[in-house]
Amino acid sequence: GQQVMQIPQYQHVQEGEDFTTYCNSSTTLSNIQWYKQRPGGHPVFLIQLVKSGEVKKQKRLTFQFGEAKKNSSLHITATQTTDVGTYFCAREYGNKLVFGAGTILRVKS
Amino acid sequence: DAGVTQSPTHLIKTRGQQVTLRCSPKSGHDTVSWYQQALGQGPQFIFQYYEEEERQRGNFPDRFSGHQFPNYSSELNVNALLLGDSALYLCASNVIQGTGNTIYFGEGSWLTVV
Repeated sequence: GQQVMQIPQYQHVQEGEDFTTYCNSSTTLSNIQWYKQRPGGHPVFLIQLVKSGEVKKQKRLTFQFGEAKKNSSLHITATQTTDVGTYFCAREYGNKLVFGAGTILRVKS
Repeated sequence: DAGVTQSPTHLIKTRGQQVTLRCSPKSGHDTVSWYQQALGQGPQFIFQYYEEEERQRGNFPDRFSGHQFPNYSSELNVNALLLGDSALYLCASNVIQGTGNTIYFGEGSWLTVV
């Protein structure tokens, strides 16, 4: 249906290691959005992917949209303590956003 | 340019009471949506307002109601509060422009029902 599934639920990495979270849908997505929520904070928009196979980069963050537009990933290279938080993917469904459950990232310094 | 502002930031209510949360959208935005985020979960869509009308509603009971004013600000009202209504309530605003809208979230109102 309209849900998006995110894996893993939780990841604890050593500072400097890479991190990847995946977002999957059983149906084709018109677009996928990614948000970051710091502990105690609110979701902050990171990026939107629209085209099949699209890849976008923001400094150490790389976002991909699958060829079939049913999955997406967010990869962080060389994590830093400032990357700590929960990363959500969200799909547009009508006039609303449907969020995944999020991946919690913890970084050990 | 102020972003999305919400009030109050934190509040504690007793089961059975009623609560009103307020939201001012980002300047230039005409559409306001409300989301509920329970601890450890992603935000869940409650409803959206555009041109002072409820445009779409999520899977929430009638105890949840809202309003949008001519200046685009919005209120979320919850009646007969239950313990399970304890959550972060997020207001989000955007400009309606087809798909792919960039949505801005406020910092939220933390509601605790005891």
